Amino acid sequence: QVQLQESGPGLVKSSQTLSLTCTVSGGSISSVSYYWSWIRQPAGKGLEWIGRIYTSGSTNYNPSLKSRVTISVDTSKNQFSLKLNSVTAADTAVYYCARSQKYCSGGTCYVTHFDYWGQGTLVTVSS
Amino acid sequence: EIVLTQSPGTLSLSPGERATLSCRASQSVSSSYLAWYQQKTAQAPRLLIYGASSRATGIPDRFSGSGSGTDFTLTISRLEPEDFAVYYCQQYGSSPPVTFGGGTTVEIK
Repeated sequence: QVQLQESGPGLVKSSQTLSLTCTVSGGSISSVSYYWSWIRQPAGKGLEWIGRIYTSGSTNYNPSLKSRVTISVDTSKNQFSLKLNSVTAADTAVYYCARSQKYCSGGTCYVTHFDYWGQGTLVTVSS
Repeated sequence: EIVLTQSPGTLSLSPGERATLSCRASQSVSSSYLAWYQQKTAQAPRLLIYGASSRATGIPDRFSGSGSGTDFTLTISRLEPEDFAVYYCQQYGSSPPVTFGGGTTVEIK
């Protein structure tokens, strides 16, 4: 059974960098079949996809956050990480890591739904 | 970017009743690459439906998904007490970004 677990500081000061790590167990982050994403949810609000990474290190980011986000992977530790710089109170949220599958058909590949999620970790940005 | 609009915002129903949730996309969703998730308070979302109509592993058959193009529906045939939660749709067929709908809350009437 695949499990994902987020870790990192729960409190970050405004203008500094938010750093989180997701540890994957029960499966290999190096698998060519999966992508690994970060998603966040402010209190009482909906879900926002932040970005994703493939085992090769290839990334895609939400254009709304792209200038501040870096996602990286450490296959030796079976982990992937999120860095969000220049944070403000608007970045206060529960941050989730999640897995999605790579599906290829007719020479085109797609990244599919999120089948496994971490439990989430609350990050509060303080002034 | 594909914008997903869910309606209604809140659905007030009694256990045993049928729930019909709507998700409308601002443009056609490729190959029905649409998923539905259930989220309970203080929990991570749980995958219910993918590919618009395929139930995820372990999901009861009272949950069903339908639709294509820009209009999708999640139906819960007979609400059980544990089904009262927030439901989100998500599209993944287009190029990034992945987007989610704003959610529908199913509450006990």
